[in-house]
Amino acid sequence: EDQVTQSPEALRLQEGESSSLNCSYTVSGLRGLFWYRQDPGKGPEFLFTLYSAGEEKEKERLKATLTKKESFLHITAPKPEDSATYLCAVQARYSSASKIIFGSGTRLSIRP
Amino acid sequence: DADVTQTPRNRITKTGKRIMLECSQTKGHDRMYWYRQDPGLGLRLIYYSFDVKDINKGEISDGYSVSRQAQAKFSLSLESAIPNQTALYFCATSDLAGEADTQYFGPGTRLTVL
Repeated sequence: EDQVTQSPEALRLQEGESSSLNCSYTVSGLRGLFWYRQDPGKGPEFLFTLYSAGEEKEKERLKATLTKKESFLHITAPKPEDSATYLCAVQARYSSASKIIFGSGTRLSIRP
Repeated sequence: DADVTQTPRNRITKTGKRIMLECSQTKGHDRMYWYRQDPGLGLRLIYYSFDVKDINKGEISDGYSVSRQAQAKFSLSLESAIPNQTALYFCATSDLAGEADTQYFGPGTRLTVL
């Protein structure tokens, strides 16, 4: 069964303290892995799509990496405005968009 | 202007009332979706449409119906609202430009059923 697990559930960091969020997945062939940022009460904001192991993408202080079993979202020198819930989702190779599976998210809090 | 818009943004209604949530997009995408989000349950797919003539049930379609009025418009209806339909509702769109269905979400509608 296709599955996505994110860890930790919550992470509190000091401003400037770099860390990583994990997304472990089990899928019968990966079509795409997605990262989103979600602020409370708002819609998920698209960050990255990764397609194959070894791929990396960066945006400002965020860098997403992908292996055959997991993806990491690295946050370098975070600022308070990076506080949000980060969602990971996967789409299996032979699945339509109706089968995109979302993880439960990591709630990130950055203290000034 | 936002690419995916939803109206209303907040709605409080009573049990048994009919409610319609509307979604419009300017991204030019053929594919549109309705999700609901509940604390601890994550995002769950209600209905999806791959083009104007294609409507499909998602994981939790009972109690909901949809209408795809045009490529850019996709509405979700609750025929007779009940309290456990209280949730955040999101519309999303996608295309296959990158081989996978990268979805783009609207700002959401917070629905409360009393």
